[in-house]
Amino acid sequence: EPEVTQTPSHQVTQMGQEVILRCVPISNHLYFYWYRQILGQKVEFLVSFYNNEISEKSEIFDDQFSVERPDGSNFTLKIRSTKLEDSAMYFCASRDSRWDYEQYFGPGTRLTVT
Amino acid sequence: AQKVTQAQTEISVVEKEDVTLDCVYETRDTTYYLFWYKQPPSGELVFLIRRNSFDEQNEISGRYSWNFQKSTSSFNFTITASQVVDSAVYFCALSEAQNGNQFYFGTGTSLTVIP
Repeated sequence: EPEVTQTPSHQVTQMGQEVILRCVPISNHLYFYWYRQILGQKVEFLVSFYNNEISEKSEIFDDQFSVERPDGSNFTLKIRSTKLEDSAMYFCASRDSRWDYEQYFGPGTRLTVT
Repeated sequence: AQKVTQAQTEISVVEKEDVTLDCVYETRDTTYYLFWYKQPPSGELVFLIRRNSFDEQNEISGRYSWNFQKSTSSFNFTITASQVVDSAVYFCALSEAQNGNQFYFGTGTSLTVIP
């Protein structure tokens, strides 16, 4: 069964460093998402991406964040200069079509900023 | 305002007891989906069920059952004869057609099943 994959599973970085979290969505899916879950809290929407551009973003998704689909298969989330409060689990999700509301989540990348 | 409310933060039950996890949602959209996810200690989100706004039929899957009531905007989840492996955090989520289909998650209910 096709699934969303994410790499790495765990990333440790120092404050101020740039990180790139990678996701490979399900191959025929058209809509892509990033979510964040701070430890012990709920999962929060960051950004949605369709047709090579951001379709929606939350207040969390400030100028420090960017997304890209560089090669037609990967979908990346870049954090330009990490802060301690960026430590969280980051989930990528993808969706098939406009009429399919189900999003398929990846296993997550746990980001630890020290 | 919260779009999805899970009022129960933590629940503990003894193995073999039944337990119901509550979920209340808020939306003005007529077309929407509701979901339940299980998050074990390993952290991944495990899909359990989805329901669309036009289908109020309750569903049973093994020991799991879901009660969707539009009149009270609730989508409750019951585990029958709970087992230790059911211990996890359970999230209810809402996806609206008008809002880019982003998921709105509740704050989760942490279920502990005591052997």
